[in-house]
Amino acid sequence: DTAVSQTPKYLVTQMGNDKSIKCEQNLGHDTMYWYKQDSKKFLKIMFSYNNKELIINETVPNRFSPKSPDKAHLNLHINSLELGDSAVYFCASSQVSWGFRHFGDGTRLSIL
Amino acid sequence: TQLLEQSPQFLSIQEGENLTVYCNSSSVFSSLQWYRQEPGEGPVLLVTVVTGGEVKKLKRLTFQFGDARKDSSLHITAAQPGDTGLYLCAGAYAGNMLTFGGGTRLMVKP
Repeated sequence: DTAVSQTPKYLVTQMGNDKSIKCEQNLGHDTMYWYKQDSKKFLKIMFSYNNKELIINETVPNRFSPKSPDKAHLNLHINSLELGDSAVYFCASSQVSWGFRHFGDGTRLSIL
Repeated sequence: TQLLEQSPQFLSIQEGENLTVYCNSSSVFSSLQWYRQEPGEGPVLLVTVVTGGEVKKLKRLTFQFGDARKDSSLHITAAQPGDTGLYLCAGAYAGNMLTFGGGTRLMVKP
């Protein structure tokens, strides 16, 4: 069974469009995250949710809006996509905020 | 802002060679994690070190936590092509969020 699953794996779209990425974890963790990994492979935290509540919102444009319908799901909606949004987005979960992360396989977003 | 520096950023070696990757900070970690990420996949935890001076072994991989808990190293003995990937360290500071290092991209040529 996949612990953290995110869809889609690939997302190719045009500038200005709106898109969503979905994430689900079946580990029973209270904390979920979205990370962005750029072309240099640097992994940067975007958001952290604990039991459906936003804990961390790093310096991310407000075009990015996370939504957590329940503690097993954390989706990411992106409005008005820009070229600079091209990256791999990883969903992750952990038992505690300093605990190790279980990562999904990533969503590779390419903006044309 | 806590900063984790990894070195080297890139490493290309022949099968059978040994290598060491370093993870350094000016701050003290409460714990440190090492991950490996393969192409097209998410990072996967290799090990967590907690105690200063701690050494953990995972087959040919040896992880060491500095005595002052400000640095860590990963040593791979007799590297194999299957070791190719991105190695990431991540440090936890006094119970706060994890901070990831910039990663070391390792390529092991057959």
